[in-house]
Amino acid sequence: QVTLKESGPGILQPSQTLSLTCSFSGFSLSTSGICVSWIRQPSGKGLEWLATICWEDSKGYNPSLKNRLTISKDTSNNQAFLKITSVDTADTAIYYCARSITTEGINFDYWGQGVMVTVSS
Amino acid sequence: DIVMTQGALPNPVPSGESASITCQSSKSLLHSNGKTYLNWYLQRPGQSPQLLIYWMSTRASGVSDRFSGSGSGTDFTLKISSVEAEDVGVYYCQQFLEYPRTFGAGTKLELK
Repeated sequence: QVTLKESGPGILQPSQTLSLTCSFSGFSLSTSGICVSWIRQPSGKGLEWLATICWEDSKGYNPSLKNRLTISKDTSNNQAFLKITSVDTADTAIYYCARSITTEGINFDYWGQGVMVTVSS
Repeated sequence: DIVMTQGALPNPVPSGESASITCQSSKSLLHSNGKTYLNWYLQRPGQSPQLLIYWMSTRASGVSDRFSGSGSGTDFTLKISSVEAEDVGVYYCQQFLEYPRTFGAGTKLELK
């Protein structure tokens, strides 16, 4: 059974660094074709893809966030991470992680429940 | 970036009627391997998005056959036959041909 669960600080102040963890089970990030992505959704708004990391350690980032993103993984512990530097109120959103199987063309087939992050002074 | 543009639905949709949601991409999503890299998702109120369709027309595991996807390289349609209460929510199209992955703005389906 595939599950993903996001965790984060809940609330942080502008200019701080946001650190998010995606803990998953039922698959491995060392398996060929597997990727984990981060997607966010401000309240009442649409979905924005942030970053992806794959089994062979390739990465993709949303250029709109201007080098503020760093994605990484810990294959042994079945976790993926996202750091966002210099946050501001516009980063307030629900943050999701999701799995992809690129070799089968399956994108974001399993999602976590999401974690709410609020940036406020 | 590839821009995804979704159409609106004439809400509310009567229960049992069919509904079609359109999506247009600013660039062809047809890959050289013959596959079209277009997904559809449903986000029910208060829930995480759920994958419905991938490769433009392949239903994801466990998805009702009332959902079907079709289209060309740049114009796509998600059809829901016989709309039910569980279909209420926001539908998103998304391309995964290239980075950055991009989503449409979403199309809300309300039931009458």
